[in-house]
Amino acid sequence: DTEVTQTPKHLVMGMTNKKSLKCEQHMGHRAMYWYKQKAKKPPELMFVYSYEKLSINESVPSRFSPECPNSSLLNLHLHALQPEDSALYLCASSPQGGQGHWGGYTFGSGTRLTVV
Amino acid sequence: AQRVTQPEKLLSVFKGAPVELKCNYSYSGSPELFWYVQYSRQRLQLLLRHISRESIKGFTADLNKGETSFHLKKPFAQEEDSAMYYCVLDTGRRALTFGSGTRLQVQP
Repeated sequence: DTEVTQTPKHLVMGMTNKKSLKCEQHMGHRAMYWYKQKAKKPPELMFVYSYEKLSINESVPSRFSPECPNSSLLNLHLHALQPEDSALYLCASSPQGGQGHWGGYTFGSGTRLTVV
Repeated sequence: AQRVTQPEKLLSVFKGAPVELKCNYSYSGSPELFWYVQYSRQRLQLLLRHISRESIKGFTADLNKGETSFHLKKPFAQEEDSAMYYCVLDTGRRALTFGSGTRLQVQP
């Protein structure tokens, strides 16, 4: 399995809802990432988990809460989002975290989130 | 701080024409540079990494440390090359630094 799988592919949620995005990889990668991508813009880093520990939080608002239950799974819990949070949320993984591992980053196809 | 600059938002060429997507970087250390491609409605995919010096789908890119550039080139563009291309810097410390992207449009 050489893919990063993200679910759901599409999500519409109200500003008072609580939802979660899921990401899974079975490549044995020890670093996992959440990126946010707005239309026609490059991905922006949100969080990095390295060996299941949060190593980077790019000053993301607390309404986004990441979780790494094990080395294969990464969740992003969403609560009280704003319409401006609507975007494509990408998950990625790499063999090692923060090691410059020759660009071995694999991206998922993303969850397209719409906040209404 | 590291930075990646892609000066062109859109590059439009005709099928069969040569293509050059420009990328300049700023980083004080030894850079690891990549080109990622995002086809319409598809996931980001690694196209090229400078360390391997390989050619993928006819694309090549040479790291020029003197000019701090990593331009992506293809001698003859194909319609299926139409996509968004990102030049990406990996410093090994803060995940990936993306350029703003260049949309390549290959017209028939």
